[in-house]
Amino acid sequence: DIQMIQSPSSVSASVGDRVTITCRASQGVGGWLAWYQQKPGKAPNLLIYAASTLHTEVPSRFSGSGSGTDFTLTISSLQPEDFATYFCQQTNSLPLAFGQGTKVEIK
Amino acid sequence: EVQLVESGGGLVQPGGSLRLSCAASGFTFRSYTMNWVRQAPGKGLEWVSAITGTGSGTYYADSVKGRFTISRDNSKNTLYLQMNGLRAEDTAVYACAKVKGSGWNFDYWGQGTLVTVSS
Repeated sequence: DIQMIQSPSSVSASVGDRVTITCRASQGVGGWLAWYQQKPGKAPNLLIYAASTLHTEVPSRFSGSGSGTDFTLTISSLQPEDFATYFCQQTNSLPLAFGQGTKVEIK
Repeated sequence: EVQLVESGGGLVQPGGSLRLSCAASGFTFRSYTMNWVRQAPGKGLEWVSAITGTGSGTYYADSVKGRFTISRDNSKNTLYLQMNGLRAEDTAVYACAKVKGSGWNFDYWGQGTLVTVSS
């Protein structure tokens, strides 16, 4: 089974900062990776799929890159509504697997 | 508007059973693979099970295989998860999720229903 490791587990940042989150797969998943944002008590929201394609109505400050085993989610200029937990998910093969999450906190 | 509403959670003793339901609306239910994903308190997301649109294909995480059964009733636009042999480690919020298109990206999620396994 494929394991997904995210880093860091948490990051403190200020509004306007550039934030980068990394996700590594235990084996290659091609470009089959998604990113989700989850706020406390809410369901996750799909941000990016196929490693770099923005989901509908996702702001352009979010971007994704990578292929194979190493992927990155970047928030170019952090906004107040972006403070949340972010998860990666490999969508290449079953069983599907999520990273453990990265909490973006206010500095 | 797509809506997914789960129900059926609650407190159950170890070894017990529960059946979760997910009522879907706002899309052509029978056309999409549906999934169950769980999140233990304060923990990350764990994929549990999936079922194809027709119900002919079902898939499970190793952690639940042989204990949980996923099913759907396309005439009622409802997804189910029958959970037997429950263990403490099954305690989590269980959410249903719809795939986007033909892949395994989840574009809509329900709010979830809490399952607590405890004596």
